Amino acid sequence: GNSVTQMEGPVTLSEEAFLTINCTYTATGYPSLFWYVQYPGEGLQLLLKATKADDKGSNKGFEATYRKETTSFHLEKGSVQVSDSAVYFCALSNAGNMLTFGGGTRLMVKP
Amino acid sequence: ETGVTQTPRHLVMGMTNKKSLKCEQHLGHNAMYWYKQSAKKPLELMFVYNFKEQTENNSVPSRFSPECPNSSHLFLHLHTLQPEDSALYLCASSHLQTVEGRETQYFGPGTRLLVL
Repeated sequence: GNSVTQMEGPVTLSEEAFLTINCTYTATGYPSLFWYVQYPGEGLQLLLKATKADDKGSNKGFEATYRKETTSFHLEKGSVQVSDSAVYFCALSNAGNMLTFGGGTRLMVKP
Repeated sequence: ETGVTQTPRHLVMGMTNKKSLKCEQHLGHNAMYWYKQSAKKPLELMFVYNFKEQTENNSVPSRFSPECPNSSHLFLHLHTLQPEDSALYLCASSHLQTVEGRETQYFGPGTRLLVL
């Protein structure tokens, strides 16, 4: 079956630090991969996505590259801000409109 | 603004109450979903509706009863809930999956439910 594994948090960084949140997956076929972000008290927002191998998704300074050889989709940002503090979810979509989520990683950015 | 709205945003109910959660999407989608988000647990898919037809029931207890009267509206009727049902209930919508790829799901802000 499908599964998504994320690094456990919380991840605590100082403002302007480099961010990496690891995500690996197990799936049959060729899934689409997503990063969602959940700010405090809100629902999930799509951050970025990639639909095939070697695609790079990017948005708001965040990037992730679909690596089929390592079954990974790590999230990176060169310089985090306090406003990036949130919970980040890696997810995959395979057959049938179903999303499989990782457990989420809480990011805390301190000024 | 995600185009998916949910009401109420917060709900407190007793175990003998009956209440309903409402979701509405303004994105022209034809698939809608209910998810449950509990503390320290991964997001759980509860129900999927495609073109108003339920296509997935992820072993959800019968005290949760979904209703999808049209492609834009989705309800979750609640009765005789338990304290462990307290959670954030998220609604999402998408286009139906195409042959070419998997469609992105867009989420509402959620209803935070507390069962006393």
